[in-house]
Order: sequence, then structure tokens, then C-alpha cells
Amino acid sequence: GIQVEQSPPDLILQEGANSTLRCNFSDSVNNLQWFHQNPWGQLINLFYIPSGTKQNGRLSATTVATERYSLLYISSSQTTDSGVYFCAVEAFSGGSNYKLTFGKGTLLTVNP
Amino acid sequence: DAGITQSPRHKVTETGTPVTLRCHQTENHRYMYWYRQDPGHGLRLIHYSYGVKDTDKGEVSDGYSVSRSKTEDFLLTLESATSSQTSVYFCAIRGGDGNSPLHFGNGTRLTVT
Repeated sequence: GIQVEQSPPDLILQEGANSTLRCNFSDSVNNLQWFHQNPWGQLINLFYIPSGTKQNGRLSATTVATERYSLLYISSSQTTDSGVYFCAVEAFSGGSNYKLTFGKGTLLTVNP
Repeated sequence: DAGITQSPRHKVTETGTPVTLRCHQTENHRYMYWYRQDPGHGLRLIHYSYGVKDTDKGEVSDGYSVSRSKTEDFLLTLESATSSQTSVYFCAIRGGDGNSPLHFGNGTRLTVT
């Protein structure tokens, strides 16, 4: 199956700093999503971004499908950005076979 | 927030007992999923459903079964719980034709002693 690698595994920032998280995948995909898991365990969908660039406030994401990677940018980080960021990809194989494969995540800690 | 409710939120059970986790959605979405989350493994797909009575296996389906008799409910059953099934279980849903954002419930923490 498709492999998803996220880097870095851990990241510590001071409040106000910018950061870039990376997601590499091993095969062509037709779907890529980014999620944030907060310290209370809730998983929130940040972006649905199979290709191109999207922005949502201080967060933006870019997927370059032809080169098999995606980047998540966090600008002016806040303590509430802390948590684990997951990338998930899907190589649709037909029928009703819509299944996302997750990377192991990047643990982000933003210190005040 | 997507209307997804998981129950129970926490459960402690003994090895060998049957356990059923419930996922209820109010979005009328076609696709529903069960994932488990373990340290060092991220989120792994157990089973998913693409319609009433239509289910398929994920990457870690051994020891689990599922049922979906109504659009809004997706049940995950551990027929005989083992300590290796201690985990946090997440239900997720997707709408449309499946090629759409995935939304998660708040999770069920299961401990098998």
C-alpha cells in the first residue's frame, strides 16, 4: 500500500515563530488531507487539498502531486496550535474504495 | 462541527469479553469509518462502510467486526477483547461520493485488562 512519511516527527517553537511541516507519499494520490489533533485528543480537518494551495487564516497548505509531497505552513504560531498534525492520502482504486492512509504525525509544541 | 457521537467515551473491560462501540451521525453521510490510534502507529483503518449493509476491511481488521443497519449508525464489535485491542477508537464520516473531507468523532478510550 501507499506509504506516508511526515517530517519532522517533533517540533518545538516559541510563540510567534513560523513553521513548515512536510508530508511525502510513495505513489500518485487523488486526495490529500491535513488534520490537527489537539491536546484533548480531538481531530479536526484543516485542509482537503489534493493539489494546489489553500489558505485558512494563519495556516496554509500546498500539495505538489506530481512530486508527491505536501507542505503545511503555520505562521505566527500560537500556543493553541500545539498538538499533532497528521497528513492523510488516498489512492482511489475504483468502486466505493475511498480509504485514507495516515502518516504518523508531527508533534508540535508552541511555548509561550 | 460534524454531527458525530461516539459511545461510550470510556470503557474498561476484561480480556475475553465482547465489546460494542457505537458511532452515530446526523449528517446522512454515506461513508463511515472506524480507526484505532496507538502510540507510534498513528491512525489505522479497521473497517469502513460505504452504505447500509455495505462494509469492507481496513488494514487492521483481525479481531473486529462491524455492522451498519441504518445510515446513521455504525457499530464496531470486539467479539473477545484482548489486551492488544487497548486503544483509542475513532469514528469518522465522509459525505458526497466519498472524495470529500473526513470528519472525526471525539473518540472512545478502551482499556482491556
